[in-house]
Amino acid sequence: NAGVMQNPRHLVRRRGQEARLRCSPMKGHSHVYWYRQLPEEGLKFMVYLQKENIIDESGMPKERFSAEFPKEGPSILRIQQVVRGDSAAYFCASSPPGNSLQETQYFGPGTRLLVL
Amino acid sequence: SQQGEEDPQALSIQEGENATMNCSYKTSINNLQWYRQNSGRGLVHLILIRSNEREKHSGRLRVTLDTSKKSSSLLITASRAADTASYFCATFGGSNYKLTFGKGTLLTVNP
Repeated sequence: NAGVMQNPRHLVRRRGQEARLRCSPMKGHSHVYWYRQLPEEGLKFMVYLQKENIIDESGMPKERFSAEFPKEGPSILRIQQVVRGDSAAYFCASSPPGNSLQETQYFGPGTRLLVL
Repeated sequence: SQQGEEDPQALSIQEGENATMNCSYKTSINNLQWYRQNSGRGLVHLILIRSNEREKHSGRLRVTLDTSKKSSSLLITASRAADTASYFCATFGGSNYKLTFGKGTLLTVNP
């Protein structure tokens, strides 16, 4: 059973460009979470999605950031008009469906975004 | 202060020694989790301890939880160079799905 997959693993963008980060959850998992890790910091929650629904995006910056989890295909975190401050590691996690959400989240290897 | 704060921030020990890391949190919890992150890599889930548990073991790992003090500790026994990594505790705080992480403890095990 493959784990959470993220691509690309490394992404370099110039200021003003767009960054698209992809996440495929573990097989059978329907909950996807995105977290951001700034250098020497812990992870910070960004958004929680289920298929075709954004459940909680309270951790997302109000502008330039968006996320989706379509019926088919991976979840996408999109950052428009990137700035240097967007440079960070972006991690996706997934968890299985069920009533008890306070369970283990399984993390992908992350995408390291560098904005020049 | 953040929910889930680890101390020390950095710990350097010799191979074979034990390593103890501590975590404090603020709100009530249903469980607390420990993760490991090797440099430049993703997070690996180590262990989950529930609020009604006081101690849990997994291989060379021993986790304790004191809900009255809102604190947890992670003990790695007989450490190895491969244990070198950052260790994070995480809780759900007041949410069912937002994991809140501290800044982590950077453990260096010298061969």
